[in-house]
Amino acid sequence: QVQLQQSGPGLVKPSQTLSLSCTVSGGSMSSGSHDWSWIRQPAGKGLEWIGRVFTSGGTKYNPSLQSRVSMSVDTSKNQFYLRLSSVTAADTAVYYCARDGLEFWSGLDVWGKGTAVTVSS
Amino acid sequence: DIQMTQSPSSLSASVGDRVTITCRASQTITTYLNWYRQKPGNAPELLIYAASSLQSGVPSRFSGSGSGTDFTLTISSLQPEDFATYFCQQSYTTPYNFGQGTNLEIK
Repeated sequence: QVQLQQSGPGLVKPSQTLSLSCTVSGGSMSSGSHDWSWIRQPAGKGLEWIGRVFTSGGTKYNPSLQSRVSMSVDTSKNQFYLRLSSVTAADTAVYYCARDGLEFWSGLDVWGKGTAVTVSS
Repeated sequence: DIQMTQSPSSLSASVGDRVTITCRASQTITTYLNWYRQKPGNAPELLIYAASSLQSGVPSRFSGSGSGTDFTLTISSLQPEDFATYFCQQSYTTPYNFGQGTNLEIK
């Protein structure tokens, strides 16, 4: 059964870059069957789709974050990554990595447990 | 961007009740609509995809319907673990926005 393990710092200073990684276990990213997404959730609020990275390395980002976000994959390590630059307090949230289902309309069928990130000096 | 609006924002019900949550899209999304349940302190979990397809392993008390702009999630008989927050999400076009959530509470 596929599981996603997230890692990264829980505290980032304003204006710096938030960097998170997500490790896939129980399956190989190299199969190319799935895409991989990042979602965030401020405390007590709803979910925001940040973007998606394809196994090929292609990406689709939320226009609201496009100028600051970057996603990538390393299939040899079975990992994918999120970088968000120039962070402010508004970027404080729980960040989730997730697997896209077999088709683009299949929903996000496997989720990481989430990483709580606070932006503060 | 396509905006997703859920109603109600909160709902009180009892174990065994039948409940329905509605999600409306600001433009047509055909049937590219997903539903998630999020228990407190946990990540969301996929319940329904493509408007009416039950995700593997999800109990059959959950069902979804709708197309175009209007969708519903129905729980036929509430169980204690169903008291949680529910989100819809469109996967028709990026950004794949979510609804604001419906908080289902115990009456």
